[in-house]
Amino acid sequence: AQKVTQAQTEISVVEKEDVTLDCVYETRDTTYYLFWYKQPPSGELVFLIRRNSFDEQNEISGRYSWNFQKSTSSFNFTITASQVVDSAVYFCALRAHNQGGKLIFGQGTELSVKP
Amino acid sequence: DVKVTQSSRYLVKRTGEKVFLECVQDMDHENMFWYRQDPGLGLRLIYFSYDVKMKEKGDIPEGYSVSREKKERFSLILESASTNQTSMYLCASSFPALLAGVWDEQFFGPGTRLTVL
Repeated sequence: AQKVTQAQTEISVVEKEDVTLDCVYETRDTTYYLFWYKQPPSGELVFLIRRNSFDEQNEISGRYSWNFQKSTSSFNFTITASQVVDSAVYFCALRAHNQGGKLIFGQGTELSVKP
Repeated sequence: DVKVTQSSRYLVKRTGEKVFLECVQDMDHENMFWYRQDPGLGLRLIYFSYDVKMKEKGDIPEGYSVSREKKERFSLILESASTNQTSMYLCASSFPALLAGVWDEQFFGPGTRLTVL
């Protein structure tokens, strides 16, 4: 069975703090893909990143970075120097190679960045 | 820009009514999906479609049906709405997953918040 767990339901930080959102996944497949999406208050999920299971290199995009560790089945997301505009619900998702386009989502983490 | 639109942002219906939620995408995507989003449960897949007139059940299809008569449009139907179908409904579309999974991220609409009284 495939599963994604985001244990942090809500996180609240003050602007400029760094924050890490945890994501732990379960799958028996050797080829799979991991995603992060952001859902701002407007409601529309926005794609942030995709990672395949053969690429464990960490990724940095501006203030965002992702740490993929197969040994611990984790794909954590860090926001450096957080800003109020980062306030949103963040979802981690998993797709197996043979599952077509089907995504398995985690429960989501609601991040609140206060000025 | 990819655009996925949903017919309504907010909808209020009564128990037993037949409800249609419409989704349209303008990027010629083969894949389309319907999810419902509930607090603490994340997004759960209801139905998806890989092509016109094709549909497959997701994880929670009970109480729902879908229709895809045209490539750009994917409709979710609640045959007889019930209060436990009160939720946020999200539509998404994507290209088919290619060899390395490239180009397959899903693009989402703004969602329809459905309340069944």
